[in-house]
Amino acid sequence: GESVGLHLPTLSVQEGDNSIINCAYSNSASDYFIWYKQESGKGPQFIIDIRSNMDKRQGQRVTVLLNKTVKHLSLQIAATQPGDSAVYFCAENDGLTGGGNKLTFGTGTQLKVEL
Amino acid sequence: KAGVTQTPRYLIKTRGQQVTLSCSPISGHRSVSWYQQTPGQGLQFLFEYFSETQRNKGNFPGRFSGRQFSNSRSEMNVSTLELGDSALYLCASSFRGMMNTEAFFGQGTRLTVV
Repeated sequence: GESVGLHLPTLSVQEGDNSIINCAYSNSASDYFIWYKQESGKGPQFIIDIRSNMDKRQGQRVTVLLNKTVKHLSLQIAATQPGDSAVYFCAENDGLTGGGNKLTFGTGTQLKVEL
Repeated sequence: KAGVTQTPRYLIKTRGQQVTLSCSPISGHRSVSWYQQTPGQGLQFLFEYFSETQRNKGNFPGRFSGRQFSNSRSEMNVSTLELGDSALYLCASSFRGMMNTEAFFGQGTRLTVV
């Protein structure tokens, strides 16, 4: 079946560097993607989203890039801070049947920020 | 503005028992979705409710059920618990319940089946 997958399970970066987390999706009909951050013991926290009619969207220190040609999504975090250490998930909203929300999540990438 | 509230936070049950988990969405949110998170399977969609009606359903057995009340609060029930049901159960709410809107998660209920 269709799935959303991540390239790397763990990413280690130095504090102050930029981080790039990647995600591949296989459903060519996907038109809405979300990045979530999950810290230990907490639920996923919304970071940023992007619709398929866009290639790039920027937030505060974060940028999401969408390449529909190769079905690839990435999250860029500028000037990574220790507080950014968490697991990051990409998700696709697959609520096409009857509308609504039905998120399909990737496997997650553990981001570790080294001091 | 209060976030999504899930109760209880932790729960220990015995195989064969049933359990009911509760979720109070953000005020004004009408869509409530449930997810199961395990180390082996990751985050998996259970079902979504909107205006007291189940609108989407994931690939879980019939032992997993849910409902939504007129105030948008939702409950999910798992009957005849199995060891494999041990997981973090997450609830998410969104404003209008339309596709492509932000979903906000609660902190989850950690269920342990022994």
